[in-house]
Amino acid sequence: DIQMTQSPSSLSASVGDRVTITCRASQGISNSLAWYQQKPGKAPKLLLYAASRLESGVPSRFSGSGSGTDYTLTISSLQPEDFATYYCQQYYSTLSWTFGQGTKVEIK
Amino acid sequence: EVQLVQSGAEVKKPGESLKISCKGSGYSFTSYWIGWVRQMPGKGLEWMGIIYPGDSDTRYSPSFQGQVTISADKSISTAYLQWSSLKASDTAMYYCVRRPGGGFDYWGQGTLVTVSS
Repeated sequence: DIQMTQSPSSLSASVGDRVTITCRASQGISNSLAWYQQKPGKAPKLLLYAASRLESGVPSRFSGSGSGTDYTLTISSLQPEDFATYYCQQYYSTLSWTFGQGTKVEIK
Repeated sequence: EVQLVQSGAEVKKPGESLKISCKGSGYSFTSYWIGWVRQMPGKGLEWMGIIYPGDSDTRYSPSFQGQVTISADKSISTAYLQWSSLKASDTAMYYCVRRPGGGFDYWGQGTLVTVSS
């Protein structure tokens, strides 16, 4: 199985801050990476796929980058509604996907 | 509008069987993979397995192979996740998801399964 390691596991930030979350795969995944946002008591929501493609309806302050084994989710200017837990997921392995352990973004 | 609507919360005893459901609407049910994701209390997301309702091709995560069964009835656009003998460690929220080719683009609202004696 491909293992996904996210960092940090949590962070505190203020409204307006630029926030970066990193996801590292145990082997190259050729941009087969998605990012999700989950708010308490809610189902996760797809933000980006193919490492950098924004899902329809997702604000442009969210962006993704990376290649090979290392990927990044960036929120350019953190908004109050962005406080949540974020997960990366690889889908490179045919019909076998794994998630990162999550990064909780909290209010400073 | 695409929707995945899951069955309601369940409270079961250890050793009991259970089948939960996920009904798709607003799209061609037989054309997309439908998967299941577990989230244990206070924990992260775990992919369990996936089925292609068009031909019932089913794949499981090694962690869940033999522990659960995934099925689908395309005549009623519904996918299922079932256990033959529940354990306390099966207590979790279970989400069904649709996979178009990249990430999981639609999620059900979740079904909370509580297993307690």
